Amino acid sequence: NAGVMQNPRHLVRRRGQEARLRCSPMKGHSHVYWYRQLPEEGLKFMVYLQKENIIDESGMPKERFSAEFPKEGPSILRIQQVVRGDSAAYFCASSPLAGGSYEQYFGPGTRLTVT
Amino acid sequence: DAKTTQPPSMDCAEGRAANLPCNHSTISGNEYVYWYRQIHSQGPQYIIHGLKNNETNEMASLIITEDRKSSTLILPHATLRDTAVYYCIVRIPQGGSEKLVFGKGTKLTVNP
Repeated sequence: NAGVMQNPRHLVRRRGQEARLRCSPMKGHSHVYWYRQLPEEGLKFMVYLQKENIIDESGMPKERFSAEFPKEGPSILRIQQVVRGDSAAYFCASSPLAGGSYEQYFGPGTRLTVT
Repeated sequence: DAKTTQPPSMDCAEGRAANLPCNHSTISGNEYVYWYRQIHSQGPQYIIHGLKNNETNEMASLIITEDRKSSTLILPHATLRDTAVYYCIVRIPQGGSEKLVFGKGTKLTVNP
């Protein structure tokens, strides 16, 4: 059973470009979470999605960031007009069900560098 | 939201038990205690979780005090590969939001 997959693993963008980060959850998991880790800092929650629904986006910056988890295909975190402060590691996690004690399984992350 | 307090760093000799403490004095009755670790910028790895009783799996043991205000993660025979940042997290039930709130964690260094 493959784990959570993220691609690309490394992404370099110039200021003003768009970044698209993909996350394929573990088989059978229908809940996806995105977290961001700035250099030398801890992980911060960004958004929680189920298939075709955003459940909690309380950690998403108000502008330039969006996320989706379509019925088919991976979850996408999209950052428009990237700035240097967006340089970070972006981790995706998935779980089979929400609530109770179901743990989240994390992917290897995408390292975004904005030049 | 319950908060957790962990020492910023700890050292342990290879082969010895590593005991990582966590305080969560404001935990509520239906919140679980989770432990994750992050090895050198990799994705966090789930270790163990518990509600009231002590728990053990192939990776570690979790000891939760009777009043649930603190817990200890035990790695029985630490190896060099256990060097990582360990996060103690209290699950926040927020009516449909299942986010994990990571603190600064404990940087565990296992020495040869």
